[in-house]
Amino acid sequence: NAGVTQTPKFRVLKTGQSMTLLCAQDMNHEYMYWYRQDPGMGLRLIHYSVGEGTTAKGEVPDGYNVSRLKKQNFLLGLESAAPSQTSVYFCASSFGGKRNEQYFGPGTRLTVT
Amino acid sequence: AQSVTQLDSHVSVSEGTPVLLRCNYSSSYSPSLFWYVQHPNKGLQLLLKYTSAATLVKGINGFEAEFKKSETSFHLTKPSAHMSDAAEYFCVVSRSGGYNKLIFGAGTRLAVHP
Repeated sequence: NAGVTQTPKFRVLKTGQSMTLLCAQDMNHEYMYWYRQDPGMGLRLIHYSVGEGTTAKGEVPDGYNVSRLKKQNFLLGLESAAPSQTSVYFCASSFGGKRNEQYFGPGTRLTVT
Repeated sequence: AQSVTQLDSHVSVSEGTPVLLRCNYSSSYSPSLFWYVQHPNKGLQLLLKYTSAATLVKGINGFEAEFKKSETSFHLTKPSAHMSDAAEYFCVVSRSGGYNKLIFGAGTRLAVHP
């Protein structure tokens, strides 16, 4: 099992450009999550999904959109990148319910200039 | 409401000496508690999980944590530090059910010296 994978690993964008980050999991997890990690601020939840076709906002959703068309994939989109979105982005997944531990991908380092 | 406080932002130990990383939590519900480790430029890896079974939880790489309800603490320990333990450690609280929102502590950076 590959677990949780993320593509790309690194990306540099100019302000105003758009991009999509892809997360894939092969553990048949129902729940998937997108976080951002910034120095001194820990991990903050951007959006999450409790199943195929569903999405919901987390703590810091502004400027991001997500889609969960297939159970194993969770996409994070930036429509018009801003320097404030420079961060490391992590995807995670879990079964849900009492099996609530989340498994994280390796991260995507995004720089917006 | 739930919250997590990691009492030390940095801990430095010598190789072969014990490790203690401190975590206090606040939860209105019976919590699930986790410790995750993050090595430089890597994702987060689950070390161990508490879910109201045994109060002493054993994890990977020789780590363990003890749940103390009266002290609302969930400290992480290891008897003998190894150089490879140098990383950032996150204490996390979650509520079962719903979408399993994780509340992260700010992290403790562990340095291990030869």
